[in-house]
Amino acid sequence: QTVLTQPPSVSGAPGQRVTISCTGSRSNIGANYHVHWFQQLPGSAPKLLIYGDSNRPSGVPDRFSGSRSDTSASLAVTGLQAEDEADYYCQSYDSSLSAYVFGTGTKVTVL
Amino acid sequence: QITLKESGPTLVKPTQTLTLTCTFSGFSLTTSGAAVGWIRQPPGKALEWLALIYWDDDMRYSPSLKTRLAITKDTSKSQVVLTLTNMDTVDTATYYCAYQDFKNRGLTFDIWGQGTMVTVSS
Repeated sequence: QTVLTQPPSVSGAPGQRVTISCTGSRSNIGANYHVHWFQQLPGSAPKLLIYGDSNRPSGVPDRFSGSRSDTSASLAVTGLQAEDEADYYCQSYDSSLSAYVFGTGTKVTVL
Repeated sequence: QITLKESGPTLVKPTQTLTLTCTFSGFSLTTSGAAVGWIRQPPGKALEWLALIYWDDDMRYSPSLKTRLAITKDTSKSQVVLTLTNMDTVDTATYYCAYQDFKNRGLTFDIWGQGTMVTVSS
C-alpha cells in the first residue's frame, strides 16, 4: 500500500545538488512518525541512508541529508556523483493503517 | 557484523503456499528492541512491507495481506519464517528480510538481506 508520494525521477550534473520530496499525510509524516530514506543501487538490496528524519548511519557520506516538515520530507544530495545513480525510497509508519509504508520511489540520474 | 539471508523456492504455482526463511547472524531476536521484517518488491516496482516480528513475539502484518500471512521465529536457529498462502502471479517479487533496531534507529529497517526472487507461474 503506497501512501508516500515521490517524484518518479530527478536528474542533475555531477557536482550539482538534487532534492527528492516525499509527501505523506496526517496519519504518517504529519503524525510525527519519523521518515527514513533508502538507496537502492541497480540489482542490489536497499540500504538505509537516513534514519530518524536526518541522521546518517556510519559510512554514509555527509553529502546526503534529510529533513521533515508538516506532512512531507526531503532528501538532498549535494555534490552529485556518478555512484549516486540509484533508486531512492522514503519510508515511515502510518497510524491509520498500522503499517510501515514506503514511498513510490525516485530514480536519480547523473547526467 | 549483522547479516541476513533469505532462502526458499524460486518458483511456485498459483494457489500454493510460499514459505521463506530468513537466517541471520550478528544479533539475537531475544534482545530487547530487535525485530525482523519482510519486505517485497515486484519487478520494476516499489517496496512493500509485509510483516514484522519483535523480540517479545509481537507480530505485525500488512493490513492488505493479513489474512494470507504468517511470521514466526526460531531463536535457537536464528531464523524467521514467512508464509504467504494462496499465491498469485501478482505476488511475483523479490522478497527481502531486514533487521530492525528499534531502540537505536526507530521504526525502520537497518540491515537488509540480499533478497530472493520468487516467481509465481503455472
